[in-house]
Amino acid sequence: DSGVTQTPKHLITATGQRVTLRCSPRSGDLSVYWYQQSLDQGLQFLIQYYNGEERAKGNILERFSAQQFPDLHSELNLSSLELGDSALYFCASSPLGEPYEQYFGPGTRLTVT
Amino acid sequence: QKEVEQDPGPLSVPEGAIVSLNCTYSNSAFQYFMWYRQYSRKGPELLMYTYSSGNKEDGRFTAQVDKSSKYISLFIRDSQPSDSATYLCAMSVGGSYIPTFGRGTSLIVHP
Repeated sequence: DSGVTQTPKHLITATGQRVTLRCSPRSGDLSVYWYQQSLDQGLQFLIQYYNGEERAKGNILERFSAQQFPDLHSELNLSSLELGDSALYFCASSPLGEPYEQYFGPGTRLTVT
Repeated sequence: QKEVEQDPGPLSVPEGAIVSLNCTYSNSAFQYFMWYRQYSRKGPELLMYTYSSGNKEDGRFTAQVDKSSKYISLFIRDSQPSDSATYLCAMSVGGSYIPTFGRGTSLIVHP
């Protein structure tokens, strides 16, 4: 158990819908990272937050957005969902001063039908 | 050409074998190199990370980086069935904390 929690574990929704994925980092970790893992693309970095502020953006679609709250939990919002958005979404956190030491959560499996 | 190349396998070995997992990369700016293990339907787990070239050892695992060849390796000694998983390499440019991942190699250790 990495200490990073993600909810829900599974999500099944229809095209065009909007969903919210939630992540709680390890106690004391200020950085949160979101990743998408699909069979086609492998593990792809989406976005990073540090102590409530966006720090880096990767291959994140405009239909996707994220935020980190004062209690450090983070949410990833996916809207206008398409079949191709079906994937595993992981959240990771890292301790202060160790950005390369990322601890991943168990993931949310999103299925868009 | 992808930035990070990794043979998907599967690599099947008997218990007790020494396993060698490898990645090649094209971006010479990569300075941080990580290895993750991912069990089926679980999140990746960081095994170790190294900075620049050289070797790093942690128990049965040894990570090796050869920047001149743009080649990294993970060796697993005395492999166990519990090592059966997908192994992902990842690397970052210095100053960027965002890793670029390989597609992963599936390892099967059979008793």
